Amino acid sequence: DAGVIQSPRHEVTEMGQEVTLRCKPISGHNSLFWYRQTMMRGLELLIYFNNNVPIDDSGMPEDRFSAKMPNASFSTLKIQPSEPRDSAVYFCASSSKLQGLSTDTQYFGPGTRLTVL
Amino acid sequence: AQSVTQPDIHITVSEGASLELRCNYSYGATPYLFWYVQSPGQGLQLLLKYFSGDTLVQGIKGFEAEFKRSQSSFNLRKPSVHWSDAAEYFCAVGARAGGTSYGKLTFGQGTILTVHP
Repeated sequence: DAGVIQSPRHEVTEMGQEVTLRCKPISGHNSLFWYRQTMMRGLELLIYFNNNVPIDDSGMPEDRFSAKMPNASFSTLKIQPSEPRDSAVYFCASSSKLQGLSTDTQYFGPGTRLTVL
Repeated sequence: AQSVTQPDIHITVSEGASLELRCNYSYGATPYLFWYVQSPGQGLQLLLKYFSGDTLVQGIKGFEAEFKRSQSSFNLRKPSVHWSDAAEYFCAVGARAGGTSYGKLTFGQGTILTVHP
């Protein structure tokens, strides 16, 4: 299995530009999570999906952030317009709900390091 | 609401010494518990997890953790640390079956481990 795939691995952009981060979860997993990691705030859950449906987006910082999951094998996190304070590492993770359990192991992608100048 | 506390932000040990990283959780019932490790520039990798059964859990790379319900703790241990263990370690808690978390995990702030030769 290829694991969770994220692209790009690094993104440098200027303030005001639109940024789109991409994630391909592990095949067969039905939950997908977007996290943001910074030195100041640690690892923050932004939004997560179950069976392609957004379940909880309370961690999304503001309306400039949006996420979609059009199908089981692809998700995007978009920032428009981007600001310097959005600079962080963004992780995508996926998991598969085991029968009888509501929580299973989350498998993380390598992350996208975003720098907004 | 569930929460995780990792009291130690930074720990330094000598190579070959034993290691214990602390994790305390807050949850209304018996939780699912995880330890992840993050090497610099990498995503999070699962070390071990506790779902049920034996409270002493064995993981990869020689790590183990013990679930102590009375202390609400899930401390990570290793009898002899290797230089390659230098990384950041995250404890996480997830909800049990019957909840509606759909696999959501709550992470601690992380403990950075430095290993001296």
